[in-house]
Amino acid sequence: SQQGEEDPQALSIQEGENATMNCSYKTSINNLQWYRQNSGRGLVHLILIRSNEREKHSGRLRVTLDTSKKSSSLLITASRAADTASYFCATRGTGTASKLTFGTGTRLQVTL
Amino acid sequence: KAGVTQTPRYLIKTRGQQVTLSCSPISGHRSVSWYQQTPGQGLQFLFEYFSETQRNKGNFPGRFSGRQFSNSRSEMNVSTLELGDSALYLCASSLPDMASSYNSPLHFGNGTRLTVT
Repeated sequence: SQQGEEDPQALSIQEGENATMNCSYKTSINNLQWYRQNSGRGLVHLILIRSNEREKHSGRLRVTLDTSKKSSSLLITASRAADTASYFCATRGTGTASKLTFGTGTRLQVTL
Repeated sequence: KAGVTQTPRYLIKTRGQQVTLSCSPISGHRSVSWYQQTPGQGLQFLFEYFSETQRNKGNFPGRFSGRQFSNSRSEMNVSTLELGDSALYLCASSLPDMASSYNSPLHFGNGTRLTVT
């Protein structure tokens, strides 16, 4: 079962625009991670944010985390056609043997 | 450093057969996780190994099994294949330290695409 639900399921924007994806989860977490997947390939890690952090940046990426609302958002600024991919949030629970559980993903299409 | 390597890349099997998939983690990584990805169910956790021990297991039937060798390479096996087992199987590795692996990203291979006919 998925821990995270992502919204929207699909997003289509033009190059240069910003893209925002949201992730909601159900239980307490140790950290939340965002991954990108190009069609038919493996996932690539983008950012990890710990439960005691509220915001993190990496290049054109900005991630926020609100543990009180059990939600996170990923903002990609100045999108490029190469950003076209599926984006997944993943949560690591607080238990010592907790697994990394992925959300349902957002399919981002960036057009020229 | 070489990335996570999964073999084979593509596999076609018949219902009832069994299959073994292989994963070589990044050098130095001791944790290996397996995921099944399908259009309907998304990414589902199968199991995780650390230093040859299964550390966690997902909600899959006993037909799905795995193991990890002393060199950290891992295999997963699916017996008595069903049509619903058709999926992309992804392997991922992470840092060698058990404690820090919980705060470390996963490094994925490109997967094995299994088709069951």
